[in-house]
Amino acid sequence: QKEVEQNSGPLSVPEGAIASLNCTYSDRVSQSFFWYRQYSGKSPELIMSIYSNGDKEDGRFTAQLNKASQYVSLLIRDSQPSDSATYLCAVNVHNFNKFYFGSGTKLNVKP
Amino acid sequence: ETGVTQTPRHLVMGMTNKKSLKCEQHLGHNAMYWYKQSAKKPLELMFVYSLEERVENNSVPSRFSPECPNSSHLFLHLHTLQPEDSALYLCASSQNTGFLSGNTIYFGEGSWLTVV
Repeated sequence: QKEVEQNSGPLSVPEGAIASLNCTYSDRVSQSFFWYRQYSGKSPELIMSIYSNGDKEDGRFTAQLNKASQYVSLLIRDSQPSDSATYLCAVNVHNFNKFYFGSGTKLNVKP
Repeated sequence: ETGVTQTPRHLVMGMTNKKSLKCEQHLGHNAMYWYKQSAKKPLELMFVYSLEERVENNSVPSRFSPECPNSSHLFLHLHTLQPEDSALYLCASSQNTGFLSGNTIYFGEGSWLTVV
């Protein structure tokens, strides 16, 4: 079983809509969770981190964490064509050295 | 600009060549990483260094040889690579290894490697 799983997509949404990206993880002792955005041909850049159950909002982005169900999601409100990218979910496992990454979900925002 | 700089950005090498990738971080971090990203695959952790000491080596072939002379610099020495080693190699750093709230990985721009 993969440590972190994401639907590869592509997820297509119209401009102005809410994009919802989901991620599940297998290790119950995972402590911290991250969303990265990766444009084609570029390196991943951090969008948000979340450590506690519930929602965390930053501008148009909201991260949601549910440790009991072992999932973390990212909502992008008022999606823009510039949001079109691959979104990577990452999990930092307790007692670590390991940041596990999912394969990423490709998001297309259509004008 | 993330504070993590990688050179070269693009590298083409033959299977008999020896080359090196260089990474420098200007963030005052104590941990540095090498990741490999191949098409349609998750990021693969290759090596982790904490305060210049290698703390993780994920069964990487010996044709990849890391070097960390200090906490700001990380190298990946390459020799006798195979075409399947062609990928994006990402260097990253974080404040520490181990779980700490706020301990986040920051990536460099990556080095595109093509083995011919």
